Parts: sequence; structure tokens; C-alpha cells
Amino acid sequence: GNSVTQMEGPVTLSEEAFLTINCTYTATGYPSLFWYVQYPGEGLQLLLKATKADDKGSNKGFEATYRKETTSFHLEKGSVQVSDSAVYFCALSIPIYNQGGKLIFGQGTELSVKP
Amino acid sequence: DVKVTQSSRYLVKRTGEKVFLECVQDMDHENMFWYRQDPGLGLRLIYFSYDVKMKEKGDIPEGYSVSREKKERFSLILESASTNQTSMYLCASSLRGGQLRQPQHFGDGTRLSIL
Repeated sequence: GNSVTQMEGPVTLSEEAFLTINCTYTATGYPSLFWYVQYPGEGLQLLLKATKADDKGSNKGFEATYRKETTSFHLEKGSVQVSDSAVYFCALSIPIYNQGGKLIFGQGTELSVKP
Repeated sequence: DVKVTQSSRYLVKRTGEKVFLECVQDMDHENMFWYRQDPGLGLRLIYFSYDVKMKEKGDIPEGYSVSREKKERFSLILESASTNQTSMYLCASSLRGGQLRQPQHFGDGTRLSIL
């Protein structure tokens, strides 16, 4: 079946540290891949996306590359800030009745950045 | 800018009550979704709708129903609330078109407590 597995949190880093949050997936066909971020008390916001193999999504200093050979979509940032503290969700999109995509989410990884 | 609005941020109801959660989007999106979010489980799809008066079950529809009388509004109904329905509920919308790369846009969520 279709599934997404993320590394468990919480992840605690110091400001300016390098961030990697691992995400691997299982899917039939050719899904699109997304990272969403949820700040405390808010809904999910799209952070970045990639729609085909070897695509790199990027936004706000975050990057992730769609690796079909390793079925991975790891999130990276070179230098985290306190304001990056949030929960990060990896997700894949599979078709629903030819009416667009249904998202399958990982369990989320909480990131805490200390000054 | 994209806007998905959920009618309540916090809601407290009693076991056995009929509960309505409302969601409105202003982006003329065809697809709308209801998820619940629980710690360690990520987001799970309850129901979705790809057109007015159309609805399809998601992964965990038991105990829920939905209504979509207008394109911009999608309601989630708990027919007889139970304590295991205490959760964060998130509404989302997206364009249709059979394109998996369309992202979903989320509201801020309703934290529902059933006593």
C-alpha cells in the first residue's frame, strides 16, 4: 500500500545547526511529494513540493530532492533559526477517482531550535 | 491570498451530542477534505468532496458524515459524539484537474473535546 515514514522526534538543535529530517515512502505509480509545516496553534502550510524524480523543491532555505531510487524525500536546511521550531510533515499524493490527489501523511517530526 | 476558514478554533461538547464543524474556502477550489490529527498518527482522511453534493469516504469515516451544499462550504458532522472523537480537525481544499501536484491548503484547525 501507500505509506510515508518519517524519523521520530522531537529533534532539538542549536541555532545555525544543520537540519535533516528523513522521509521515506512506499507508493505505486508516480506520486508527488510534499513537505508541510505546522507552527504552534496553526494549521498546516505547504513548505515545498516535488512532482517527479530528481526534482528539488525549495523554500525559505529548506530543500528536499525526490529520490526515486531510494524512495526518499529528506528535508534539509543549512542553518536553522529559532523561528523554524514547528512540526514538519512529509506527504505523498495519490490519485483519487481522477479528481486530484489524496494526501498520505507521515506521523510528523517536531523540531525545537534553541538560541 | 488563499484562505480556508474553520468556524471554531476550540469546541467542547458532550457525549451523544450532534456536532457540526464548518469550513469555508474562498479560492473556488473543487476539492475539499476533512482530516483529524492525533499525536503519533499524523493526519488521517475522514471524508472528501470533489464537487457540490458529492462525497467520498476517506480512511476513517465511521461515526462521521459530511455535507457540501455549496462549492465553498464543507461541513463535518459527528452524528453522536463520543470521547474517542476528541481530536484536532483540519479542513483543506485544492484544485481538481487530475493533477497530483496540486497542493492542499489548510485551515487553522478546530480542537474538539468531547466530555
